[in-house]
Amino acid sequence: DAGVIQSPRHEVTEMGQEVTLRCKPISGHDYLFWYRQTMMRGLELLIYFNNNVPIDDSGMPEDRFSAKMPNASFSTLKIQPSEPRDSAVYFCATSRVFYEQYFGPGTRLTVT
Amino acid sequence: GENVEQHPSTLSVQEGDSAVIKCTYSDSASNYFPWYKQELGKGPQLIIDIRSNVGEKKDQRIAVTLNKTAKHFSLHITETQPEDSAVYFCAASSTGNQFYFGTGTSLTVIP
Repeated sequence: DAGVIQSPRHEVTEMGQEVTLRCKPISGHDYLFWYRQTMMRGLELLIYFNNNVPIDDSGMPEDRFSAKMPNASFSTLKIQPSEPRDSAVYFCATSRVFYEQYFGPGTRLTVT
Repeated sequence: GENVEQHPSTLSVQEGDSAVIKCTYSDSASNYFPWYKQELGKGPQLIIDIRSNVGEKKDQRIAVTLNKTAKHFSLHITETQPEDSAVYFCAASSTGNQFYFGTGTSLTVIP
């Protein structure tokens, strides 16, 4: 198995632009998690899905952030409009059950 | 919500020595405690986990202990090797709920 696939690996954008991060989960994994990692705040769970349904989005920082999972093979995390404080590494993780998560390689986002 | 504290933030050991990283948590409902290893430029990798009905779990050179009464759990790495150098994160979660991560420990194993 190829593991969790994230794209792009690096994204540099200007403030105010829309950013879309993508994740392809491991086949057969029913849970999908989006995390953000920064030096200041560490690893934060933003939102997670079970069987394509958002279960808990309490970690989403504000309305500028949205996440979707249209099918079992694909999820997106969108930031619109982006701000410099959104600069971070964003990870997607998936699992068969709630625990034992497998993380992707991450997307490093820089907003200038 | 849960509060997970992790110590130390940095740790240097000589190759072959043991390394111990400790975490405390605040929510007595937490029942799952994973440890992740993160190498530079990569995502965290689950290396071992423990559930609240178990006091200790071991996997080769890695072990985790849990003290529910004191609300703390620890990662033990024996016979450390240079490839163990990485950032290690603890986390705590209650069933089907949020994951709360510690702030990480940067481990350096000196050859």
